[in-house]
Amino acid sequence: EIVLTQSPGTLSLSPGERATLSCRASQSVSSSYLAWYQQKPGQAPRLLIYGASSRATDIPDRFSGSGSGTDFTLTISRLEPEDFAVYYCQQYGSSPITFGQGTRLEIK
Amino acid sequence: QVQLQESGPGLVKPSQTLSLTCTVSGGSISSGSNYWSWIRQPAGKGLEWIGRIYSSGSTNYNPSLKSRITISVDMSTNQFSLKLSSVTAADTAVYYCARGVRLGYGDYGWFDTWGQGTLVTVSS
Repeated sequence: EIVLTQSPGTLSLSPGERATLSCRASQSVSSSYLAWYQQKPGQAPRLLIYGASSRATDIPDRFSGSGSGTDFTLTISRLEPEDFAVYYCQQYGSSPITFGQGTRLEIK
Repeated sequence: QVQLQESGPGLVKPSQTLSLTCTVSGGSISSGSNYWSWIRQPAGKGLEWIGRIYSSGSTNYNPSLKSRITISVDMSTNQFSLKLSSVTAADTAVYYCARGVRLGYGDYGWFDTWGQGTLVTVSS
């Protein structure tokens, strides 16, 4: 099983700032089969990024993903008030599918 | 636009079987472009993938739960279902159903559509 470790656990930033979230895998994620999701309280996760760097439909271009192998990054270029939420990475390259433990992005 | 909706009892007694159904609307569960999964999330914690089913009926389960899980699909009602046996308090969680994207070469991809989730509490 591929274990995904996200850092930091909590990130405190202000609107307008840049956010950089990390996801490290215990072994290489094949074909960059990595996705990022955003989850707000009481809601289901929402797909942001798939294939490590492709934005999902209707996702603003301030969200970008990068990385390969074992190290992946989600970057939010300029934080909007609605971006404060919990973010999860997920690998789907091998079974079982696994998720990171999440990074909480909170308003400073 | 495809929508998914979970349904089932919100309270299950310990040692009994948890049964949930996901109804797919706005699209066909028999689509070869997709597969169908269950994912759960205990309160305040992260996401755990439970298992998946393809329209052919082929399944793949998380080894941590495999001995207790059955996922099935009903094309006639456009639904798929989860049964989790011998539940304990540790199975208390919000359960989500989700649509996955089927990739080339038979690979399984990301989840592009999720249900709203349903809370299942295991308690006597």
